[in-house]
Amino acid sequence: NAGVMQNPRHLVRRRGQEARLRCSPMKGHSHVYWYRQLPEEGLKFMVYLQKENIIDESGMPKERFSAEFPKEGPSILRIQQVVRGDSAAYFCASSPEQGSFEQYFGPGTRLTVT
Amino acid sequence: LAKTTQPISMDSYEGQEVNITCSHNNIATNDYITWYQQFPSQGPRFIIQGYKTKVTNEVASLFIPADRKSSTLSLPRVSLSDTAVYYCLVAPLGNTGKLIFGQGTTLQVKP
Repeated sequence: NAGVMQNPRHLVRRRGQEARLRCSPMKGHSHVYWYRQLPEEGLKFMVYLQKENIIDESGMPKERFSAEFPKEGPSILRIQQVVRGDSAAYFCASSPEQGSFEQYFGPGTRLTVT
Repeated sequence: LAKTTQPISMDSYEGQEVNITCSHNNIATNDYITWYQQFPSQGPRFIIQGYKTKVTNEVASLFIPADRKSSTLSLPRVSLSDTAVYYCLVAPLGNTGKLIFGQGTTLQVKP
C-alpha cells in the first residue's frame, strides 16, 4: 500500500509566479491535511479537506493561497504570486476518518522562491 | 486547545532509555495526547496516542499520570537512528483532526 505521495519534491519559483503542489493520499483515505514548515520553525496547520469540500481552512493565509481536493485526482495546494516568505516545506497528510490524530504524512514539497 | 511544554533538546547515548516529558496543565476532559516523530527533511510520523495510564506499542511507551497534566514518552534502548524531533500534541476527540505542533524536543543520540 503506497504511502502519501507528494510532487514535486522540490519546486523553485521566481517571485510573482504560481506554485502548484500535489498530494495523493493513501489508498482509502478521504481526509487530507496540509501543513507548512518554515525554516527553523515547527509545522503549522493550513487546511483540512475532504473530497470536494473544504472543512477547515483556519490556517490558510487570506490571500494568494487556495486548496482543493476534487472527486478524482490529487489534492492541490495553489499559491499565486509567490513571495520569498512562501519558501518552506509543505507537507500533506491523510487519514481514513475524520478527527483522526493518526495522520500519515508525505515526504513534503520544498518550495524555494527566488 | 491545551498548551504543551516540552524540553527544547535532549542528549542521550546509544542503548539508553530516553524519557521525554510534556506538560499540559490545562488539558481538558476530552483531550487525547499524541506523539509524533520527525526526522530531518521528512514528514512527521505518528508514534503513539493515549488518554490515561499507560500505552505501549512496538516503538514506545506513553505514561500518563492520573491528573493527566503531563505525559512521558519512553523510548527503550535508543539507537543513532532515533535522533529526531519529538512532538507532543493535545487535542480533543471530535476535533477536525488538525494537529497543532509546538516546537518539539530535539533528541540527539550519540554513539
